[in-house]
Amino acid sequence: GAGVSQTPSNKVTEKGKYVELRCDPISGHTALYWYRQSLGQGPEFLIYFQGTGAADDSGLPNDRFFAVRPEGSVSTLKIQRTERGDSAVYLCASSPGPQETQYFGPGTRLLVL
Amino acid sequence: KNEVEQSPQNLTAQEGEFITINCSYSVGISALHWLQQHPGGGIVSLFMLSSGKKKHGRLIATINIQEKHSSLHITASHPRDSAVYICACRVSGSRLTFGEGTQLTVNP
Repeated sequence: GAGVSQTPSNKVTEKGKYVELRCDPISGHTALYWYRQSLGQGPEFLIYFQGTGAADDSGLPNDRFFAVRPEGSVSTLKIQRTERGDSAVYLCASSPGPQETQYFGPGTRLLVL
Repeated sequence: KNEVEQSPQNLTAQEGEFITINCSYSVGISALHWLQQHPGGGIVSLFMLSSGKKKHGRLIATINIQEKHSSLHITASHPRDSAVYICACRVSGSRLTFGEGTQLTVNP
């Protein structure tokens, strides 16, 4: 069966541009998580969806970051007015339900020039 | 001070050696995860535990809730075990708080 997939695998953009990162969770998984990992560091939590709703968005660094999961499956992380400091690997994970083992996607490597 | 701290940051071993990676946390948790991250970024969940000990093949994970400490052990290490090992704690709700990872290199 397919695991968590993320697209694109790499994204290079210019400062100030808008980007969208997509996550396809494992089919049937109700919980979906976004994390950000900077070079040499552990991931940090951004947002968690249970179904269609954002159950915890306390990790989003500022209002330039927004995420949606309109049908409770695919999720899109949206970053407006990108800054060089947004450069990182953005990881998505899903789990069958809350507080269960999380399965990670390969990540999207974002580089803001 | 991070809520989740790992040691050592880097570890180099010879093939066959017994390896221990430690994780300490400073807050109450509902579960602790050990994750493996290979070059290129892919993360695999190794264990999720809330008490006691779990074993899978050559990997063993233990947790001591009273001491707020967990260890990941690798027996008979092999070069293919080379990766970053990350400890992550479920502090509140379903979000995970991660340690900075331990870079393990096993030489043949």
